[in-house]
Amino acid sequence: NAGVTQTPKFQVLKTGQSMTLQCAQDMNHEYMSWYRQDPGMGLRLIHYSVGAGITDQGEVPNGYNVSRSTTEDFPLRLLSAAPSQTSVYFCASRDRQNSPLHFGNGTRLTVT
Amino acid sequence: GEDVEQSLFLSVREGDSSVINCTYTDSSSTYLYWYKQEPGAGLQLLTYIFSNMDMKQDQRLTVLLNKKDKHLSLRIADTQTGDSAIYFCAETPNQAGTALIFGKGTTLSVSS
Repeated sequence: NAGVTQTPKFQVLKTGQSMTLQCAQDMNHEYMSWYRQDPGMGLRLIHYSVGAGITDQGEVPNGYNVSRSTTEDFPLRLLSAAPSQTSVYFCASRDRQNSPLHFGNGTRLTVT
Repeated sequence: GEDVEQSLFLSVREGDSSVINCTYTDSSSTYLYWYKQEPGAGLQLLTYIFSNMDMKQDQRLTVLLNKKDKHLSLRIADTQTGDSAIYFCAETPNQAGTALIFGKGTTLSVSS
């Protein structure tokens, strides 16, 4: 069991570029989510999904898109990167409401 | 609204006990969690407590829950240098599909 796998681990983008952060889980979890972590801000929810074909916005969704075509994958797309999106991004999953979240190891993104 | 508050820093000496405190606002939260984040890593679930319990012990960790005051604490006995990390408290608002709400994290520094 690999758990939650995020790629890449590090990425540097120029302002205006687009990219996709990948997240995959092999635990057959219905629920997946994306958080960003910034110094002094803790973790803030970007988007989440309660199952294939269903996504919803979290606290800070602007500038990000998600899709959930399969149970396993939940990619996060940055449409036009901005320096304010410099952060560490974490993907997490769980099998049902109220069960613990399982986190990936994160993607450290720098936008110059 | 939902909010989880934690003190930002705690410094202890090796061998002492550490107590990390957290207050939450959603009285309907069914589970409350403690996560640990080591430098450069993702969040690792340490322990959790169900809202109908007031204490849970797991080796060196003791979680105390005061539902009346919406106060949660994590006590680490015989703190070691390897316990140095950021500790996050999280609650589960009782809404279908809602992700965990995290505090900003408490940085625990253990000196030898």
